[in-house]
Amino acid sequence: DIQMSQSPSSLSASVGDRVTITCRASQSVSGYLNWYQQKLGKAPKLLIYAASSLQSGVPSRFSGSGSGTDFTLTISSLQPEDFATYYCQQSYNTPYTFGQGTKLEIK
Amino acid sequence: EVQLLESGGGLVQPGGSLRLSCAASGFTFSSYDMNWVRQAPGKGLEWVSIISISGGNTYYSDSVKGRFTISRDNSKNTLYLQMNSLTAEDTAVYYCARDPNRYGGGFDYWGQGTLVTVSS
Repeated sequence: DIQMSQSPSSLSASVGDRVTITCRASQSVSGYLNWYQQKLGKAPKLLIYAASSLQSGVPSRFSGSGSGTDFTLTISSLQPEDFATYYCQQSYNTPYTFGQGTKLEIK
Repeated sequence: EVQLLESGGGLVQPGGSLRLSCAASGFTFSSYDMNWVRQAPGKGLEWVSIISISGGNTYYSDSVKGRFTISRDNSKNTLYLQMNSLTAEDTAVYYCARDPNRYGGGFDYWGQGTLVTVSS
């Protein structure tokens, strides 16, 4: 199975900050890497698919990059509604494993 | 509007069974692979299973293989998860999620989830 590792596990930031979350796969997943945002008590929401493609309706302050084993999610200017938990996921091979999550909190 | 609505969750004793349903609307259900993803209380997301468009191909996580069965009825626009031999480790919110079958993947629509609690 492909293991996904995110860093950091938690992060404190302020509105307007630029934030980067990283995700590493235990083996290459090519471009099959997705990012989700989950708010407390809600279902996950797809932000980025195929490593760098913005899902329809997602604000352009969210961006993704990377290929192979190393990926990043960047939020260019944090907004109050962005404080949530973020997960990466590989969809290259089943089982479609998720990272452990990064909790983004208000500083 | 795409909607996915899970049902069937509840309290079940260890060793028991439960069948979850996911009713789909607002899109051509028979054109999409479908998934189940779960989340234990206070924990991260865990992919559980996927079923292909026709239902002919299914895959499972090791943690549920041999105990859970995913199926679909395209005539009823409904996805199912039959869960047998349940243990406390299966306690979670279960989500169904649509897979748009595109390069790079990603589950673009999710249901609101249904809570399964395994306890005596």
